[in-house]
Amino acid sequence: DTGVSQNPRHKITKRGQNVTFRCDPISEHNRLYWYRQTLGQGPEFLTYFQNEAQLEKSRLLSDRFSAERPKGSFSTLEIQRTEQGDSAMYLCASSSPGQGIYEQYFGPGTRLTVT
Amino acid sequence: AQSVTQLDSHVSVSEGTPVLLRCNYSSSYSPSLFWYVQHPNKGLQLLLKYTSAATLVKGINGFEAEFKKSETSFHLTKPSAHMSDAAEYFCVVTHPPFGNEKLTFGTGTRLTIIP
Repeated sequence: DTGVSQNPRHKITKRGQNVTFRCDPISEHNRLYWYRQTLGQGPEFLTYFQNEAQLEKSRLLSDRFSAERPKGSFSTLEIQRTEQGDSAMYLCASSSPGQGIYEQYFGPGTRLTVT
Repeated sequence: AQSVTQLDSHVSVSEGTPVLLRCNYSSSYSPSLFWYVQHPNKGLQLLLKYTSAATLVKGINGFEAEFKKSETSFHLTKPSAHMSDAAEYFCVVTHPPFGNEKLTFGTGTRLTIIP
């Protein structure tokens, strides 16, 4: 199965540390999205890429957050100086307009716990 | 701004009885609407989507939803619940004129199936 994969699946870190998550989209998908889901809530949009270009960023994405997709394939999401409020599930999704427009395929997520 | 409201945070039905999960949307433009399902420790999966074609949309696993513009609703139904339907369900909206961009999720409805 060549679905969206995310690593690591779980991350526990201490407040103030930096963390980085990786997302590998479905290989032919040119769009990649990051969402954040806190307990009891639906996912919230953070940012998205078309190929290498980051086209939109939510105001939820503070200066401590940065996302990259350097070669238009995998993407990384880094959080600097983590805070307890950053504890959440971070979801990645990918899509391709030629495969059913607006249909985003989600990975299993990375669960971040900040202690 | 676009948004969706899921009217029930938790729904319980007996196995073999009908399922109704309610969703109302708010949108300044003609929306695209989706239902996603999230099983524990699994990624979000698309159940069905409405993109301005037929107002009655059929999805996977026997689910369907009807787009009612006059009521700004997009309720999810299934004639007969199965134990495997127990999961979290999200109603989602996006706007086609702006392309394949961010999804706006509702807060979710947890569906419990009583044996």
